[in-house]
Amino acid sequence: DIQLTQSPSSLSASVGDRVTITCRASQYIRTYLNWYQQKPPKAPKLLIYATDNLLSGVPSRFSGDRRGTDFTLTISSLQPEDFGTYYCQQSYSGPGTFGQGTKVEVK
Amino acid sequence: QVQLVQSGAEVQRPGASVKVSCKASGYKFTDYYIHWVRQAPGQGLEWVGRINPNNGDTNYAQKFEGRVTMTGDSSIDTAYMDLNSLRSDDTALYYCARPDCSSSDCHTLEFWGQGTLVSVSS
Repeated sequence: DIQLTQSPSSLSASVGDRVTITCRASQYIRTYLNWYQQKPPKAPKLLIYATDNLLSGVPSRFSGDRRGTDFTLTISSLQPEDFGTYYCQQSYSGPGTFGQGTKVEVK
Repeated sequence: QVQLVQSGAEVQRPGASVKVSCKASGYKFTDYYIHWVRQAPGQGLEWVGRINPNNGDTNYAQKFEGRVTMTGDSSIDTAYMDLNSLRSDDTALYYCARPDCSSSDCHTLEFWGQGTLVSVSS
C-alpha cells in the first residue's frame, strides 16, 4: 500500500498567519492527492481534490501544490474557523490511504 | 442533495458482531461505490473497505479480511458493514462515504455519513 507521511503532526498559529502542511507519498501518485478537514465531532469534509482543485464553496485562502511526491496544503491567511485536523489521502490506487493528520490550532 | 444517513451507536461485547447501516439518498444508489472508513478515539482515518452496490463486488483492507462483510440492498438504497469477532481496539467511529465519481478507480470521498460509534467493552 502507498504510505503518506504528514508534517507537522500539529501546529498552532495566529489569525492571519500563513500555514503550510506537507504530505509526502511513498511512491509516485501523479496528482491523485486530496485534502480533508475534520472538526470534531463531525465527519471529514473534502476540501481539495487532485492536488489543487478546491471543492465548490471552499474559501480561496486554501490552496494545494505538488513537487514530485511532496504535496502541500497552504492556508494563506489563517482564520478562526480553520481549526481542526487536516488529512491527506491518495486516490491513485486502492486502498485510498490517509496520512496521519495535522491538528491545527488557532491561537 | 446527496445524503448518507447511518444507524445509531452500538455497544457490543468482545467476540460479538455488529452491523452498521448507511442509507443513501439524492442519487442513484447503484451508480457509486460505498466506502467504509473508521476512526478510533483520538486517532486518524483508516480505510476499511468498499462495496459496489450494483453487483456486490467488495474490496477490503487486508487487516479486516475474514472479519468484515459489506453488503448492499438496492431496494432500499442501503449499504451495510458487518464486523465480527469484535475486540476492544475495534472501538471507533465508523463512517460510510461516497466517492466523487462512479468508476472503480474513484477513491476521492466527497460525501460522508454522520458516523456510527461502535463501542466494544466487556
